[in-house]
Parts: sequence; C-alpha cells; structure tokens
Amino acid sequence: DTAVSQTPKYLVTQMGNDKSIKCEQNLGHDTMYWYKQDSKKFLKIMFSYNNKELIINETVPNRFSPKSPDKAHLNLHINSLELGDSAVYFCASSLGLAFYEQYFGPGTRLTVT
Amino acid sequence: GENVEQHPSTLSVQEGDSAVIKCTYSDSASNYFPWYKQELGKRPQLIIDIRSNVGEKKDQRIAVTLNKTAKHFSLHITETQPEDSAVYFCAATPNRDDKIIFGKGTRLHILP
Repeated sequence: DTAVSQTPKYLVTQMGNDKSIKCEQNLGHDTMYWYKQDSKKFLKIMFSYNNKELIINETVPNRFSPKSPDKAHLNLHINSLELGDSAVYFCASSLGLAFYEQYFGPGTRLTVT
Repeated sequence: GENVEQHPSTLSVQEGDSAVIKCTYSDSASNYFPWYKQELGKRPQLIIDIRSNVGEKKDQRIAVTLNKTAKHFSLHITETQPEDSAVYFCAATPNRDDKIIFGKGTRLHILP
C-alpha cells in the first residue's frame, strides 16, 4: 500500500542515452511533482502537474520531458543524458498546489557515466 | 520570486540538548511554511508546518515559530535524540497556487 512509488530505484547509464523514470501515487491527489536533489542535497522543483496539466516548468533543459497519462501517474523522460544529470530524482504528490503536505516517493538515484 | 535562506548548513548538538534551525524568506506574501526531515538514504517527510495566521506551533519535542514582520521562521527540537540526526529543510510558498521553495537544508548531527 505504498503511497508514492517510483521505478527504478537505481539507474546507471552512459552519457548520450535516453532513460525514463516512472511515478505512481495511490493517494487520490490532484498534483504531482518532480524534484532533483543534487550531491549537496539541494532540493529543487523541476515540474508540477495538476490534473494532468503542466503548471510549473522550471528552467530545466528541454532534454527533460514529463508526461502525465492520468492523475495518478507522472513519468519523466530524459534524452541525451549528461554527467550533470546525475542526482536523485524524487516524485511527489499533494492534494493541491504548494499549500499542502507533499508526499515524496523513495527517489531514483541516477548515475551517468 | 521567493527566496528561502536556511542556517546553519551543519549543526552538531549533544544528545539531550536543543537544536535550532533558522530560515528567512523574501516574499512577504508567503503564507505557508513547512519543515521536512530527510534521513540518510530516505525520502523527505513533513514533520511540522505553520501558516501565517499563527505565531507558534508545537508537536511534542518539535516547535516552529514564525515572525512575519521580520520574515523569518525557526525549527526548535528539544531533548534531542539520536534518531533526530537527519537533513532538515524549511520551505515557503507565496500563495496557494504557486510552487513551494525549499531552503538548502541543515544537516543535524546528534552527538552521543
């Protein structure tokens, strides 16, 4: 009965490859997010979707493309991976935008070699 | 846009002592201030939050205070225990429809 789940947990890949990370929440929330946490532990929002609609798109390279097939899922596709993309990526969900508790997934540790 | 500054970046306290982490924000319209705890290798989890119509909130050993005039808020942990060792993030959000902005985190070490 995991609230927010992500797959895979670990992802090791070479520069130039394309990869996807999947996220699912079973909390019935309307809003989902992707965050990037770098090696210094800085937690930065990348995207936010509300009812499958893109609400927030931070200054993220267009190699990153989120897709929300339905309210319960938000996937992240990354093209042409670079060394600087190595980080932990967290998916999260909340009842609404910003003003509500965010429930984070377990994270996906992406290592680009 | 909103900017959240968090201090200190690292804090070591003796077990049983108190720990205080401070944050300042720039947008006076911010009205929701959550604190998240992230244990090593785990996901961030909400531990306490405060809204702008309240000056202080307590939950057992944890308390948060908010000074809207000075635009700062603080997390207070009393009688610290080993399981309090983690990274703590403060955050602020300007309004209901905007994104949440996180501080850069404080790594808290509880010394035996």
